[in-house]
Amino acid sequence: GENVEQHPSTLSVQEGDSAVIKCTYSDSASNYFPWYKQELGKRPQLIIDIRSNVGEKKDQRIAVTLNKTAKHFSLHITETQPEDSAVYFCAARSQGGSEKLVFGKGTKLTVNP
Amino acid sequence: ETGVTQSPTHLIKTRGQQVTLRCSSQSGHNTVSWYQQALGQGPQFIFQYYREEENGRGNFPPRFSGLQFPNYSSELNVNALELDDSALYLCASSLGAGEQGTQYFGPGTRLTVL
Repeated sequence: GENVEQHPSTLSVQEGDSAVIKCTYSDSASNYFPWYKQELGKRPQLIIDIRSNVGEKKDQRIAVTLNKTAKHFSLHITETQPEDSAVYFCAARSQGGSEKLVFGKGTKLTVNP
Repeated sequence: ETGVTQSPTHLIKTRGQQVTLRCSSQSGHNTVSWYQQALGQGPQFIFQYYREEENGRGNFPPRFSGLQFPNYSSELNVNALELDDSALYLCASSLGAGEQGTQYFGPGTRLTVL
C-alpha cells in the first residue's frame, strides 16, 4: 500500500524567511496530494492541493511542487509569519477504491518573530 | 471553517466499554471518511462510507465499525475499548471521488480510554 514519508519533523525559521517541507510517496498510482495545516487542538485545514497532471500550484505565499518521476512533492511557504506556526501534514491519495488519504507524520513549523 | 461537525468533543471511557462517535457532513457531501490521529502522528484511515455503503477500510480490527445514514451523517462505533484507542477521531466529508473528492475535516472527538 501507499507510504508517505515527510521531512523534516520540526522546522524553525525567522519571520520573513521561507520554509520548505518535503514528502515522498511510494504508490505511483497516487494522483492527488493535499497539504493540511493543523493548529494545536484544532482540525486539519486544507491549505493547498495538487493533482498529478500539474507540476506546480501557487496560492499567494504558498506553493506546492510535484515531481511524479521521483515521487516527491514539496510545500513552500514564503515570507513566513508567526501565524504560520502549526503542524503541516502532506498526504497522498490513489485513484479508485476508497481513495483514502495516506498522511505523512507531520512537520511542526515554528516561525519566530 | 468547514460545515463538518462532530460530537461529542471529548469523551472518557474505561477499557472494555463501547463508544459511538458522530459526524455530520458538509451540506451536499455524500462521502464520509474516518481517521484516527494518535498524539504527534498523522491521521490514519479507518474506513470510508459512500452513499450509505462502506467503501474501503484501513488496518483496523472489526471492533471498529461504522454506519452512514440517508442524510449522509455517519457514526463510528468502537467496541471493547483498549488503552491504545485513546486518540483524536476525525471525520472528513467530501463529494464523491475523483476531482470532487477533496476532504474537509471536522473538529474531531478526543477519546481517552482509562
